[in-house]
Amino acid sequence: QQQVKQSPQSLIVQKGGISIINCAYENTAFDYFPWYQQFPGKGPALLIAIRPDVSEKKEGRFTISFNKSAKQFSLHIMDSQPGDSATYFCAASIAPGRRALTFGSGTRLQVQP
Amino acid sequence: DGGITQSPKYLFRKEGQNVTLSCEQNLNHDAMYWYRQDPGQGLRLIYYSQIVNDFQKGDIAEGYSVSREKKESFPLTVTSAQKNPTAFYLCASSSKLGDNSPLHFGNGTRLTVT
Repeated sequence: QQQVKQSPQSLIVQKGGISIINCAYENTAFDYFPWYQQFPGKGPALLIAIRPDVSEKKEGRFTISFNKSAKQFSLHIMDSQPGDSATYFCAASIAPGRRALTFGSGTRLQVQP
Repeated sequence: DGGITQSPKYLFRKEGQNVTLSCEQNLNHDAMYWYRQDPGQGLRLIYYSQIVNDFQKGDIAEGYSVSREKKESFPLTVTSAQKNPTAFYLCASSSKLGDNSPLHFGNGTRLTVT
């Protein structure tokens, strides 16, 4: 079974700090790595995504770092804000047309004011 | 507004009863999905459909069934054979399966079986 392992399970960060969430995968056929953000009582929504041909992608305060040789990728939230408090899921998918996304177990982030 | 509508938001059933969760989309998406969310386990894929009248089992399909008679609709039936049905169920859609277009999720149905 394809797996994506996510850590930590929960994270508490002070306002203005950096939040870091890590994911690791085993299947080298994965070629698309999105992050989803979920607020309580809502469905997840796409936050940012990366392909393995680049090592980093930045959108505003959110950055994905990708290490192909280590089969790891991470989400960095700079200048974390209380409004960032949510559950974050990493995910991965194989070559187009073959499969739906496989999600990590989620990280509950709490940003304290 | 385009989106995914899941109903009802909360659902309660007695053990041994089948229950059907509704999912409708007006995004004109070909692909639709059902995920189950449990604390600490993330989102696990139950079933997915690439196109009308076609669907595939995901990682945890046992005890569930689906149909895709219309492009807009992808109902999920939780049968009495599902051993642990209490969970948060999420329906999603994307323009096509595997094209890496974003998944659009509904706001979920929380099912409680007692």
